[in-house]
Amino acid sequence: ETGVTQTPRHLVMGMTNKKSLKCEQHLGHNAMYWYKQSAKKPLELMFVYSLEERVENNSVPSRFSPECPNSSHLFLHLHTLQPEDSALYLCASSQDWVDEQYFGPGTRLTVT
Amino acid sequence: GENVEQHPSTLSVQEGDSAVIKCTYSDSASNYFPWYKQELGKGPQLIIDIRSNVGEKKDQRIAVTLNKTAKHFSLHITETQPEDSAVYFCAACYGQNFVFGPGTRLSVLP
Repeated sequence: ETGVTQTPRHLVMGMTNKKSLKCEQHLGHNAMYWYKQSAKKPLELMFVYSLEERVENNSVPSRFSPECPNSSHLFLHLHTLQPEDSALYLCASSQDWVDEQYFGPGTRLTVT
Repeated sequence: GENVEQHPSTLSVQEGDSAVIKCTYSDSASNYFPWYKQELGKGPQLIIDIRSNVGEKKDQRIAVTLNKTAKHFSLHITETQPEDSAVYFCAACYGQNFVFGPGTRLSVLP
C-alpha cells in the first residue's frame, strides 16, 4: 500500500465525453504529479503541483486540465480526447521536489 | 533538455545470477537518480536512489553506482529471485524535472 490512491482504475470514454481522474495522497506530502505512461514510451511528466500551485506544465494539450484543490487531492479533467491519449495515467506525490516519489496504481484510460 | 537512455530493454537471467541495468543522461545539472520497479498492474515503486555527492549506494541485494564524469549510473541486483521479475526504470532529476528512461523488462528464470 503506497498511500496514494487513484480512481477510477479503468475508464473507457468516447472522444466527446468529459471525465475526471482523481488522486488522493495520505502521506502529508507537499508535491503531486501527473504522469502519462504509454506502451513503448518512457514515463512522461505532465504536471507538477507544489503546495497546491502548478509549477510545471510540460506542453500538455489543453484537453487535459489539472486541478489541485488542496495538498492531498489532485484531479485531471479530460475533454474531447483523442484515441492516442489512451494510456495509463499515474499520479505521484513527494515530500518536496527532487525527493522520493510515491506512485498510485494508475488509471487505465481507453479513448474510443 | 534532459535525455535518459537505458540498456538493455529486456534482460533474462537465471535465478541466483546477477543483473545489471545501465543508464546514461545528458544534463550535467541532474543531481538525483532514482530507480523504480514496476510490477504488472501497479504503479512504479522506488527501490533505491542516489544523489550526486555519492558514488555508490547499497541496500541488501540492490546497489547503484554513479559516474558523474561519464554521466552514467547503473543498477546491480545480486542473487536474483523470481519476484525480481518486473520492469525497471531509471530517472535523472534536476529541480522539478524528472526524466525517466524507457525501462528494462527483467525476467528471472527459475
